[in-house]
Amino acid sequence: AQSVTQLDSQVPVFEEAPVELRCNYSSSVSVYLFWYVQYPNQGLQLLLKYLSGSTLVKGINGFEAEFNKSQTSFHLRKPSVHISDTAEYFCAVTNNNAGNMLTFGGGTRLMVKP
Amino acid sequence: EADIYQTPRYLVIGTGKKITLECSQTMGHDKMYWYQQDPGMELHLIHYSYGVNSTEKGDLSSESTVSRIRTEHFPLTLESARPSHTSQYLCASSESDGGAVGYTFGSGTRLTVV
Repeated sequence: AQSVTQLDSQVPVFEEAPVELRCNYSSSVSVYLFWYVQYPNQGLQLLLKYLSGSTLVKGINGFEAEFNKSQTSFHLRKPSVHISDTAEYFCAVTNNNAGNMLTFGGGTRLMVKP
Repeated sequence: EADIYQTPRYLVIGTGKKITLECSQTMGHDKMYWYQQDPGMELHLIHYSYGVNSTEKGDLSSESTVSRIRTEHFPLTLESARPSHTSQYLCASSESDGGAVGYTFGSGTRLTVV
């Protein structure tokens, strides 16, 4: 079985400040990890994914995430946020035994303040 | 640019009415999913399909039903809508091979039952 925990339900941050959204996963096998972003009244859009290889993954809109196997984490970071980054962010995990079925975390609401 | 389309985007309907939420994708994906998303953000899998004539119930019990007569089409039906069905419904699809692809999401249908 696999599971995902997003440790913060809301993260307020001022514009141009750095941000980290935390994600921890649980799985007994090798995993694939994803971050999705959801803007208001929209579906989810893929930000980035980790499949294998380099543990630092770069995505769209200046976001990056680092896979840490020993800590079973996949935290999302951005060095300087914009008002337009205000959205919901979802971490997700799957593995080859899961038939491509993603397990999503509960989401983190990023609120960027001017 | 979305390759998976959901209609309608918004729907307000009276209690007891029958409704069908449409979901179509042009990517030839075998796997399709329906999620219910509460105002608190968390995604709940309510139905999925691994191909034509294949449908399964998800983790969250739902009074809705689905069908998969064509690869590209995965409609969700509520025979008798109730206020408790008020929610956002998200459709997604993915390729069959392995777990390394993630999902493509539609823009969602926001349903309000009055």
